[in-house]
Amino acid sequence: GENVEQHPSTLSVQEGDSAVIKCTYSDSASNYFPWYKQELGKRPQLIIDIRSNVGEKKDQRIAVTLNKTAKHFSLHITETQPEDSAVYFCAASKNNQGGKLIFGQGTELSVKP
Amino acid sequence: GAVVSQHPSRVICKSGTSVKIECRSLDFQATTMFWYRQFPKQSLMLMATSNEGSKATYEQGVEKDKFLINHASLTLSTLTVTSAHPEDSSFYICSANPLAGGEETQYFGPGTRLLVL
Repeated sequence: GENVEQHPSTLSVQEGDSAVIKCTYSDSASNYFPWYKQELGKRPQLIIDIRSNVGEKKDQRIAVTLNKTAKHFSLHITETQPEDSAVYFCAASKNNQGGKLIFGQGTELSVKP
Repeated sequence: GAVVSQHPSRVICKSGTSVKIECRSLDFQATTMFWYRQFPKQSLMLMATSNEGSKATYEQGVEKDKFLINHASLTLSTLTVTSAHPEDSSFYICSANPLAGGEETQYFGPGTRLLVL
């Protein structure tokens, strides 16, 4: 079945620096790749997503890139702020599975003021 | 829009009892909902796909007789943890996506924290 690998597991940056989290997926049929932010004890919140027909997508300080050939996608956060501190999860799914998401292991991001 | 609720938010029960968790889509209909389990400092692991009007589809390694799923309407799915044991203590989260428009975005419920004593 589909497997999603996420790195690093922890990431610590200074406020204002950029943060990059990387994921690889195994199933070449995957075509939807969302990123979620989860604060302690809360539900995952969608922050950005990308579909397989697009190579890059940006929303203010957040961007996601997708390399279908290499089967990897990355989350880029620029000008990080302390409130960006949380656990970030990547995920992958296929259209014909009705939205079933397979998650990466998660990255705990800490932004130090 | 696209709000998903769960009830209860937190439950403590004795070993051997059964616990029912509800997942509701408040402002949209969903033929499919998903149940995840998340242990502390770990990722969300898909347990099963809940299908309205038919049997749930379970992921490998998830006991269907222990985790009973009922999706009786287009806005409600329930997960019953039967004969709960301490190792079932976890954070259970459901998700759903709206029927219309082929939307892929999954909206998550707030989660239910289960503690089995």
